[in-house]
Amino acid sequence: DAGVTQSPTHLIKTRGQQVTLRCSPKSGHDTVSWYQQALGQGPQFIFQYYEEEERQRGNFPDRFSGHQFPNYSSELNVNALLLGDSALYLCASSYGVASYEQYFGPGTRLTVT
Amino acid sequence: LAKTTQPISMDSYEGQEVNITCSHNNIATNDYITWYQQFPSQGPRFIIQGYKTKVTNEVASLFIPADRKSSTLSLPRVSLSDTAVYYCLVGVRRNTGKLIFGQGTTLQVKP
Repeated sequence: DAGVTQSPTHLIKTRGQQVTLRCSPKSGHDTVSWYQQALGQGPQFIFQYYEEEERQRGNFPDRFSGHQFPNYSSELNVNALLLGDSALYLCASSYGVASYEQYFGPGTRLTVT
Repeated sequence: LAKTTQPISMDSYEGQEVNITCSHNNIATNDYITWYQQFPSQGPRFIIQGYKTKVTNEVASLFIPADRKSSTLSLPRVSLSDTAVYYCLVGVRRNTGKLIFGQGTTLQVKP
């Protein structure tokens, strides 16, 4: 049973560019949440997707957007990249929106230069 | 949401029992206490959750006193592979599953 997978593993982008990160949830899960983790800090909630809709959003600007597909996989898009967007982006999946037990992927390390 | 306070770091030796305490003075009546573990270069992993008294699973025990203003995660006989960051979360938002992480406690297990 595959767990949560994310791609790519690492990514280097230039300021002002756009990036798309991808996530496949654990088998049987229907909810995907995205988190940003800066170096030395705990993960910060970006948003959550369920039934192909954004259900909850954290304190992140509109430059951060997402999508969930019918097969429950998800994408995170970040436009107009800033140096401060450099971080580890984590995807977590669960069954149902209210689950406290979420399964995290290994993350995508984004570096903005 | 209740604010949590944990030690920034802890050191231990292999074979010892490690107790990490989390303070959450403003915990609400319906808040649960949840702990996650994060190894280097990996995403966090759910360890344990409790509401009151004691909860035990194959990984850890969670002790919660009657006033629920603090909680203690207990790891029995740690090994080098238990070196990780441990996060205490309180007040996981119901109906949203939004997890609020603090800075966590970095546990370093030495040989």
